[in-house]
Amino acid sequence: DGGITQSPKYLFRKEGQNVTLSCEQNLNHDAMYWYRQDPGQGLRLIYYSQIVNDFQKGDIAEGYSVSREKKESFPLTVTSAQKNPTAFYLCASSPGGMISGYTFGSGTRLTVV
Amino acid sequence: GIQVEQSPPDLILQEGANSTLRCNFSDSVNNLQWFHQNPWGQLINLFYIPSGTKQNGRLSATTVATERYSLLYISSSQTTDSGVYFCADLKAAGNKLTFGGGTRVLVKP
Repeated sequence: DGGITQSPKYLFRKEGQNVTLSCEQNLNHDAMYWYRQDPGQGLRLIYYSQIVNDFQKGDIAEGYSVSREKKESFPLTVTSAQKNPTAFYLCASSPGGMISGYTFGSGTRLTVV
Repeated sequence: GIQVEQSPPDLILQEGANSTLRCNFSDSVNNLQWFHQNPWGQLINLFYIPSGTKQNGRLSATTVATERYSLLYISSSQTTDSGVYFCADLKAAGNKLTFGGGTRVLVKP
């Protein structure tokens, strides 16, 4: 079955450490996205990529970095510069150039300890 | 950018009840979508509804683009309807979604 896989589901990080969240899709979608969700709030866009080797900052990119070396993969690194990284992170993909077909992964819950 | 407001923020329903969720936009919307997030965090696309009315089983949605709002109707609610309902506008440039704060729905048996 086609879909988006995020790993791990739960992640614990010590303060000052960088961590990388994985996102893989086999939907052959061109565009991929990372959203952050805080408790009781909506989703906010961190980074997005419309094609391989290209990506743009979203609304809350500070303290995060991404890469898009392969069409299927869009990993997100939460750096030590991110002051409040504890949140639920959702990856999504879409066919790109279209207005439907948005698909989300099941999320990674990151906790700083 | 566009602001998206959802109401009510929380909703408690008895199983079998009907309800209406509302989404207001600060600017014109072109590609309104409704999502349901289950208690485990998975987001599912319910409707793509830039205008007019659509129905899918017990759920239906109406968007009045000229008045900048959309409504989601839940009829004969079931416990599996619990979760958070989000509306979002999809901008063609970058295919980016702007989300509202969500309506948290709890359906009690």
